[in-house]
Amino acid sequence: AQSVTQLDSHVSVSEGTPVLLRCNYSSSYSPSLFWYVQHPNKGLQLLLKYTSAATLVKGINGFEAEFKKSETSFHLTKPSAHMSDAAEYFCVVSVLQGAQKLVFGQGTRLTINP
Amino acid sequence: DTEVTQTPKHLVMGMTNKKSLKCEQHMGHRAMYWYKQKAKKPPELMFVYSYEKLSINESVPSRFSPECPNSSLLNLHLHALQPEDSALYLCASSQGGRDRNIQYFGAGTRLSVL
Repeated sequence: AQSVTQLDSHVSVSEGTPVLLRCNYSSSYSPSLFWYVQHPNKGLQLLLKYTSAATLVKGINGFEAEFKKSETSFHLTKPSAHMSDAAEYFCVVSVLQGAQKLVFGQGTRLTINP
Repeated sequence: DTEVTQTPKHLVMGMTNKKSLKCEQHMGHRAMYWYKQKAKKPPELMFVYSYEKLSINESVPSRFSPECPNSSLLNLHLHALQPEDSALYLCASSQGGRDRNIQYFGAGTRLSVL
């Protein structure tokens, strides 16, 4: 079965410093992977997706992620954190079981310190 | 336009009430989804409609009844809910049929069952 594991439930960084949110996946074939962000009391917004094209994927708001098959990882990074980045981040793998199903990681709460 | 609109934004209901949640999209998507999200948890899939037919029911109790009147509209009918059903209910849509498709989420309906 396909799954994702987010290695940190909470990450705290200072404004202007780099952000690293870690995600490992488990899949028997080349997966479709996504990062979504959820601000408080809001719906989910897609940051970026990987679908077996380039291994380095650029997303919105300066975020990017690198697919590493050898490490079964899909970590999310940003060079310089902004206060508005404070939110919950979900690593997601997509599977087809009659229809598309999203399998979510448990989420990482990102806190930005001024 | 990548908007999924959910109404109402907030709903308070008693355990004997009947209410409905509404979700609408005008992106021409043929797959629509209902998710339930408890506080500090990832979304959990409830139902998937593909081409206006129910494709997936994740063993959801019958007090939740989905309906897809047309390709743009998705309803969730609620009856005799329990306090533990209080949660954020998210609707999403996608082009459907492939695991690489992006799901677009609405802002959700915050439901409180008294």
